[in-house]
Amino acid sequence: DAKTTQPPSMDCAEGRAANLPCNHSTISGNEYVYWYRQIHSQGPQYIIHGLKNNETNEMASLIITEDRKSSTLILPHATLRDTAVYYCIVRVNNQGGKLIFGQGTELSVKP
Amino acid sequence: DTAVSQTPKYLVTQMGNDKSIKCEQNLGHDTMYWYKQDSKKFLKIMFSYNNKELIINETVPNRFSPKSPDKAHLNLHINSLELGDSAVYFCASGLAGVADTQYFGPGTRLTVL
Repeated sequence: DAKTTQPPSMDCAEGRAANLPCNHSTISGNEYVYWYRQIHSQGPQYIIHGLKNNETNEMASLIITEDRKSSTLILPHATLRDTAVYYCIVRVNNQGGKLIFGQGTELSVKP
Repeated sequence: DTAVSQTPKYLVTQMGNDKSIKCEQNLGHDTMYWYKQDSKKFLKIMFSYNNKELIINETVPNRFSPKSPDKAHLNLHINSLELGDSAVYFCASGLAGVADTQYFGPGTRLTVL
């Protein structure tokens, strides 16, 4: 079972920041938080991952709370092409590296 | 350059047939995976191979047989196809460590009639 809970859907206005929350209250000390997205039945696309520090790359920022029980993915300036299902995943140790997907958040970016 | 590629992209076949889906990665990874996405869009791991050895088998029916001829390839053979096998199958590759990123192929949409 997925160790994360996410809202099923969110809307965001084009050009505004999209903030996608994720709860992972049972995360263990050395388990990473990963974010992927899936655009209309394409293959899931890696976005970002982190352990405890906040992370930023060219796609997004990841903010992880100090207790690591929740995180937020931030798309700073959402575009229509960011419309997708966003998956927050806790990567479990000693399980062969598999990703356990939950239901994700369906983000709709509107003009 | 495509990092993880799958063939075919679409596969339509009759119940009872046997079919294969091929996956290749040029990322130099040592671990490859098969995931299945059903009609409700739920993505679930099926198999994982590390250096040509099976390391994950998520209680998939034995009609499904993955084969890894080398580290860069992981093929999925399905015998006696059933209606419930209709889904999108995604191949992925990566390193098995918890801090290592996994990259997905474009998917193969299998329709069983």
